[in-house]
Parts: sequence; C-alpha cells; structure tokens
Amino acid sequence: KAGVTQTPRYLIKTRGQQVTLSCSPISGHRSVSWYQQTPGQGLQFLFEYFSETQRNKGNFPGRFSGRQFSNSRSEMNVSTLELGDSALYLCASRQGLEETQYFGPGTRLLVL
Amino acid sequence: AQSVTQLGSHVSVSEGALVLLRCNYSSSVPPYLFWYVQYPNQGLQLLLKYTTGATLVKGINGFEAEFKKSETSFHLTKPSAHMSDAAEYFCAVSDSLGQGAQKLVFGQGTRLTINP
Repeated sequence: KAGVTQTPRYLIKTRGQQVTLSCSPISGHRSVSWYQQTPGQGLQFLFEYFSETQRNKGNFPGRFSGRQFSNSRSEMNVSTLELGDSALYLCASRQGLEETQYFGPGTRLLVL
Repeated sequence: AQSVTQLGSHVSVSEGALVLLRCNYSSSVPPYLFWYVQYPNQGLQLLLKYTTGATLVKGINGFEAEFKKSETSFHLTKPSAHMSDAAEYFCAVSDSLGQGAQKLVFGQGTRLTINP
C-alpha cells in the first residue's frame, strides 16, 4: 500500500497570503489528522477529520481550517499568514478507530 | 490531560553502545504509547507501540521499549547503536477525545547522535 502523501513538499509564501496544503491518506483510512511542527513548540495537534467531519480541533486560531472530501483526502488552509506559521505541517491517517497514526513526509512552509 | 516528558533533548552514544532514550507520561487512563523516529527532512516513522498486553514491546530496526505503569515510563532501548540510528525520536501518548476522536500528544523529542 502506498503511504500518506502530502503536496506540495515545500512552499514559500509572504505575510498576509493564504496557503492550502493537501494530504492523501493510506488507502482505506478514513481518519486524517494534521500536526504542526516547529522548533519552539514541537509537534502540536491541529485537527482531525473523519468521514468529512471535523472531530476535534487543537488550540490554534481560526485562520487555520481544514476539510475532508468524500475520498478521504484532506486539505488544510491557513489564511493571513504570519511569520510564526513557518513550520513543517504533517498529516497522519489511521484506520477507523485504531490508535496508530501513520504520517506523511510533511509540507515545509516558509513565510517571509 | 495527557502529557509526555522526554528526558534529554540530545543524547550521544558511540557506535555499538547501548541506546537509552527516556520517556515519562502522564495519563488518567490506561495509555496507548508510541515511539516515532524522524530523519532529516522527513515525516514521522512508527518505531513501536504499546496498547495492551505484553509490556515489553519490540519494534523495527532492533528497538524495543518497556511499559512500566508504576513508573509511568516507556523508555526506548537498542542494545547496539548503528550510525543509521542518528535521528530525532519522539515519544507520544494517545489522547482519546470521545466518540472515536483521538490526538497524539508528543514529547519534545530527543536528538540521537552516533559517534564512530
């Protein structure tokens, strides 16, 4: 089975712009989660989607949003980018209610 | 709320030496625990996990971890370090949020350096 894929792998944006990141889960996995990784804050949970519904959201401002499509692919959007949004954004998928999450390679976002 | 503490942000060992990465957790319910490894410019790869059953868990690449409830610990070990083990290691606990929702709570990570 192919693993979790994320596109693009690298992005450079300027402050105030918006960005959309994409994640395709492992085939058959219906749950997709997003995490932000920064040197200062480490790995932090953004949100989880299951069957096109957001099940939970971490402690991030409303500028961070996401959605999931009927094929389980997910996108996350960050509007009005700030310098502090520079990070590695990781997507993970899991099968149903199983506990194990499998991660993609991440999208590295640099905000200038 | 669940939390994870990894003791030592940086560990350095010689090739062939024992690797010991420490992880302590805080959980109000029986925890599900994970170790992930991250190589430069890559995502997280699952090394091993503890859910229920045997407390000594074996993972990939010769790593293993022991769940000790009395010590709230889940330390990662490998008997003999290899140069390819150089990476960052993350301990995580699963925080169930009800109705199947879940998130992982991670420690701050330990960077492992292998000296030739």
